[in-house]
Amino acid sequence: QKEVEQNSGPLSVPEGAIASLNCTYSDRGSQSFFWYRQYSGKSPELIMFIYSNGDKEDGRFTAQLNKASQYVSLLIRDSQPSDSATYLCAVNFGNQFYFGTGTSLTVIP
Amino acid sequence: GAVVSQHPSWVICKSGTSVKIECRSLDFQATTMFWYRQFPKQSLMLMATSNEGSKATYEQGVEKDKFLINHASLTLSTLTVTSAHPEDSSFYICSARAAGREEGYTFGSGTRLTVV
Repeated sequence: QKEVEQNSGPLSVPEGAIASLNCTYSDRGSQSFFWYRQYSGKSPELIMFIYSNGDKEDGRFTAQLNKASQYVSLLIRDSQPSDSATYLCAVNFGNQFYFGTGTSLTVIP
Repeated sequence: GAVVSQHPSWVICKSGTSVKIECRSLDFQATTMFWYRQFPKQSLMLMATSNEGSKATYEQGVEKDKFLINHASLTLSTLTVTSAHPEDSSFYICSARAAGREEGYTFGSGTRLTVV
């Protein structure tokens, strides 16, 4: 059974702060890792993907991958109220996607 | 690119009736599409993998006779909820991946099904 675990939260941060979202996965053979943002009642939208160990930055978002520790994280710098959403971690193994349960983030103005 | 269109976006139906949801890849061909269900405040749960030209693969616990999947072309997969009951009320989402694109899977906009 391939598992992807996230802290369900809720996570609250003040506007302008850094939000840190974490995800662990059970299968060492996992190949690629994705972060999706989902607003209430909407479909998930891709924020970032990462394949290699280390950091990947895109604007205010940084994904960090540590395959040895089976850990992937998402940092959101200068958090904005519009970042308030549920963040889903997804892990790709073969032709399948496995989702975490999501972390609810609230950015307080 | 890699747009997935899903219709309808919401539907209300009477208990016992059937509802069809369509998922189309607009600018790419998708030999495989995925159907998810999401209950309030829960994560996406994979229901089935839809394969063009062959039978769908269902996840454990998903009734294949109740959730009929047809993937008759490389751009269209349909999910039919048969004899719907109130407990089938949920948010249904499809996804697909364009070959050669590293950004993973694209999701449709989802269908909110309410069975009354």
